[in-house]
This record gives sequence, structure tokens and C-alpha cells, in this order.
Amino acid sequence: ETGVTQTPRHLVMGMTNKKSLKCEQHLGHNAMYWYKQSAKKPLELMFVYNFKEQTENNSVPSRFSPECPNSSHLFLHLHTLQPEDSALYLCASSQDRGDSPLHFGNGTRLTVT
Amino acid sequence: AQSVTQLGSHVSVSEGALVLLRCNYSSSVPPYLFWYVQYPNQGLQLLLKYTSAATLVKGINGFEAEFKKSETSFHLTKPSAHMSDAAEYFCAVSDLTQGGSEKLVFGKGTKLTVNP
Repeated sequence: ETGVTQTPRHLVMGMTNKKSLKCEQHLGHNAMYWYKQSAKKPLELMFVYNFKEQTENNSVPSRFSPECPNSSHLFLHLHTLQPEDSALYLCASSQDRGDSPLHFGNGTRLTVT
Repeated sequence: AQSVTQLGSHVSVSEGALVLLRCNYSSSVPPYLFWYVQYPNQGLQLLLKYTSAATLVKGINGFEAEFKKSETSFHLTKPSAHMSDAAEYFCAVSDLTQGGSEKLVFGKGTKLTVNP
């Protein structure tokens, strides 16, 4: 039990599909994050939410749409994705202090066909 | 913006040998630094963090790291490698988002192989 739960663990979708990734944290944290991990590329920060307010959108294409209804839940809505969007999508949470580490979920392995 | 550089995308050691994974940081302010480990098909797990309390930081699984301001380094070491240490290791530095929240900026990672 990592304290941060992501579902589903694996997802295969066509380019015309619409799907959503879900993240839930049980740690009482106030900040939540989406990172993208692709092969041979560094971890890319996508979005940051602090107390449900988005505080970072790292030039992410509009086919990725985040939603943070409360401090414990974070979604990533996906539509009309491209094959290059295939990656491991990691959710994390923290106390939003500089010395506070991020706690990660196990990720969703996304394959776009 | 803060950044980290991990020297060596792959490191291979023998079981029982010293593990040394290198990380250099660039920061305009005193940094908060972290090391994470990632096993296959899993998320990132915190190994240790530096928050200015002590320059030598001990973490889980026998790992430690030393903060050297003069060298802008935060290298990760373990005296004796175990087969279970085979994984990918990430160095990270704390930074601020556009909206003033905290975020972590990660290095590209170093894949550690442990040979029997």
C-alpha cells in the first residue's frame, strides 16, 4: 500500500477513444501531480494542483485534460491521443513544502494504438 | 530554474562492491535534494532527502548521500551492493511551479545493474 493509488494499472486505447486515469491519495496531502515517463526521456511534469487549484500546466497538449475535484482525487482525461503519448503516467502527492518529498503511485501504463 | 544532472545512464557493479551514483545540481537557492528508486513496473520510492540539517544523509536499504556545496554534488553510495539493488535511480531537486507550489525536477535516471 503506497498511500497513492492509481487505476487502471494498464490501459490500451485507440486514437479515437476517450478514457480517464484516476489517482487517489490517502496521506492527507494538499498537492497532487501528474508526471509522464517515456522510454529514454526524463520524467516530465505535466500538471500540479494545490488545494484543487492548478498551479502548473507544463505546455501539455489539450488532448490531456486534468481534473482535481478535491485534495484527495486527481483525474487525467484522455481523448484523441497519439501513439507517441504511450508512456507510464505517474501520479504523486505531497505536503507542498520544499522539504516534503513526493509520494508516488505505481502508475498507469498507457498504450495508444 | 533548478536542474540536476546524473552522470552515467547505466552503472554496473558486482555483488558486494561499492555503489556510487553521481548527481550534480544547479540551484540559485539552497536546495532540497532527493534520491528515488524505481523498480520495474512500479512508481518511484523515496530513498533519502537532504534538507540542510546534515550534509551526510542516511536512507533506506543501506544507501546514503553526501551534500557537497563546493562541488554542487549529491552523490548516492552504498558500501556493498546486493542483487536486490538492481533498479533505476533518480536524483531530484525542489523547485517552484508557475503558481508558487513546490515541484520536483528529476534527472534522467541511472540504471544500476548488479552482477553475481
